[in-house]
Amino acid sequence: AQKVTQAQTEISVVEKEDVTLDCVYETRDTTYYLFWYKQPPSGELVFLIRRNSFDEQNEISGRYSWNFQKSTSSFNFTITASQVVDSAVYFCALSARFLTTDSWGKFQFGAGTQVVVTP
Amino acid sequence: DAGVTQSPTHLIKTRGQQVTLRCSPKSGHDTVSWYQQALGQGPQFIFQYYEEEERQRGNFPDRFSGHQFPNYSSELNVNALLLGDSALYLCASSPRQGTYGYTFGSGTRLTVV
Repeated sequence: AQKVTQAQTEISVVEKEDVTLDCVYETRDTTYYLFWYKQPPSGELVFLIRRNSFDEQNEISGRYSWNFQKSTSSFNFTITASQVVDSAVYFCALSARFLTTDSWGKFQFGAGTQVVVTP
Repeated sequence: DAGVTQSPTHLIKTRGQQVTLRCSPKSGHDTVSWYQQALGQGPQFIFQYYEEEERQRGNFPDRFSGHQFPNYSSELNVNALLLGDSALYLCASSPRQGTYGYTFGSGTRLTVV
């Protein structure tokens, strides 16, 4: 069974502060992908970053960075110098392979973390 | 290039009724997945369609059914609606063999009264 846990329900920061979102996952699969999505009030899930289970290199993309540690099953996400437009719900998700059909696609999402950035 | 299109955007139904939600995948995508997102929760996987067949199913009752058409568009049907079916229903399309390009629509907000 797969499980994704986002322990933080809401984080409030003042603009320009950094925000780190925690994500812990469980899976028996050896091949999987981890994602972060942003969901603004409009409802659409916006893709932010993706990491596969074989690549633990941590990277920075603009104001976004992530810390993937397979040893602790964690995939944390940081927004640097937050802006008001970053206010949204952020979801961590896990996608593994369907063994029966050798296909991808089923996403297991966490409960989400509401980020509120005030001016 | 149009992304994933869902219709309608909002819908109000009465308990016991039936509802059909529609999804047009992104151009070049042939696999469609449906998710239910209750208020304050993460999306939950309902099922996935590929080659007009249901390939995988989440933990949802048989009241939830679907269909995929030859043009890859898809419908989600829910029978005998319950108040608990009120949620945002998200459609996602993807290429068959990978998670790259997995794209979500803006969803249909279903309210059951």
